[in-house]
Amino acid sequence: EPEVTQTPSHQVTQMGQEVILRCVPISNHLYFYWYRQILGQKVEFLVSFYNNEISEKSEIFDDQFSVERPDGSNFTLKIRSTKLEDSAMYFCATNKEGDYGYTFGSGTRLTVV
Amino acid sequence: AQRVTQPEKLLSVFKGAPVELKCNYSYSGSPELFWYVQYSRQRLQLLLRHISRESIKGFTADLNKGETSFHLKKPFAQEEDSAMYYCALSGMDTGRRALTFGSGTRLQVQP
Repeated sequence: EPEVTQTPSHQVTQMGQEVILRCVPISNHLYFYWYRQILGQKVEFLVSFYNNEISEKSEIFDDQFSVERPDGSNFTLKIRSTKLEDSAMYFCATNKEGDYGYTFGSGTRLTVV
Repeated sequence: AQRVTQPEKLLSVFKGAPVELKCNYSYSGSPELFWYVQYSRQRLQLLLRHISRESIKGFTADLNKGETSFHLKKPFAQEEDSAMYYCALSGMDTGRRALTFGSGTRLQVQP
């Protein structure tokens, strides 16, 4: 069964540093998403991406965050200047046209120290 | 605003007992409801969606619009059902694809 692949699985970074989280979507999927889950809290929507642009974003997704699909395969989430409160599990998800059910990646655990 | 509530953080049952994981939602339009499952150290996986009205691994869930609920049920729990279960909602009528998740219920099935 096709999978959504996320790298790295763990990342530790110093506060103020930039991080890039990577996701390889399933090949025929057209919608891409980032979610995050702070330890002990809900899974929260960050952003959705379709046709090379952001289609929807939450209040969490402020100017510190950006997404892109630079080479037509990887879908990346960049956090420009990390804060302690950005420590969380970040999940990439994708789905096809006409399908509202997602396939999730295994997540990247980001720890900001 | 849309909201999903899972009132139980933990549900512990014995093997063979019936299971009901509760989910209530708040949404003014026509929602699409999902159950996702996360087994230990694995990714979130789609378990059920209300539109398909299917049974997966013996689990079923019925959308009750009057009670705004989408409870997950299984008549006889198995040890391998132990996992985190998340109820989620998307706004099908608006075309919004963002999912709103509940806080999750950990199901422990004891031998």
